Amino acid sequence: AQSVSQHNHHVILSEAASLELGCNYSYGGTVNLFWYVQYPGQHLQLLLKYFSGDPLVKGIKGFEAEFIKSKFSFNLRKPSVQWSDTAEYFCAVNAPYNQAGTALIFGKGTTLSVSS
Amino acid sequence: GAVVSQHPSRVICKSGTSVKIECRSLDFQATTMFWYRQFPKKSLMLMATSNEGSKATYEQGVEKDKFLINHASLTLSTLTVTSAHPEDSSFYICSARAGRGDTQYFGPGTRLTVL
Repeated sequence: AQSVSQHNHHVILSEAASLELGCNYSYGGTVNLFWYVQYPGQHLQLLLKYFSGDPLVKGIKGFEAEFIKSKFSFNLRKPSVQWSDTAEYFCAVNAPYNQAGTALIFGKGTTLSVSS
Repeated sequence: GAVVSQHPSRVICKSGTSVKIECRSLDFQATTMFWYRQFPKKSLMLMATSNEGSKATYEQGVEKDKFLINHASLTLSTLTVTSAHPEDSSFYICSARAGRGDTQYFGPGTRLTVL
């Protein structure tokens, strides 16, 4: 079964700082990769996703992520964070051809706190 | 993007009662729906996967007789927490997907509090 690990539990940054959140997954087959964001008191929103093609994926609000297959990684980046980026960030993976199940499996999440 | 709704958004019940939570895909047909549980400051834990018209597949450790899932149509799945106990208090989130290779869209969640 696939699993997802997010290395940073809580990241604290000042506005305009650059952000990189780590995500690694374990699964040997074809995967789809996602980053979701959950703002305080709100539901999950899709930031970006990778299915195939260009491994550098651009999402909403200036976020991007790079899929490095050899490292089983899908790190999220943003060159300059804003106070409004304060939220919980979840990396998720699913294996679309996995007979054991194709549901999204989530990492434990990273809390990002941005101070103005 | 696609919209998934949940009802109710918040429910408080007494211990021993049953609670039903509805999940609807509003603008697409969901062949598969998923139910997750989110604890405070924790990630989403997959509880079960349900395909329209068939029995749900439960994850290890999730009691199927306690968490009854019905996916009777392509736009509606229900989760019934039977004989609820305080330890069942949590945030329950559903998601829906049109096809195997498609994106999962998430509902806003239901906050269940069992007294």
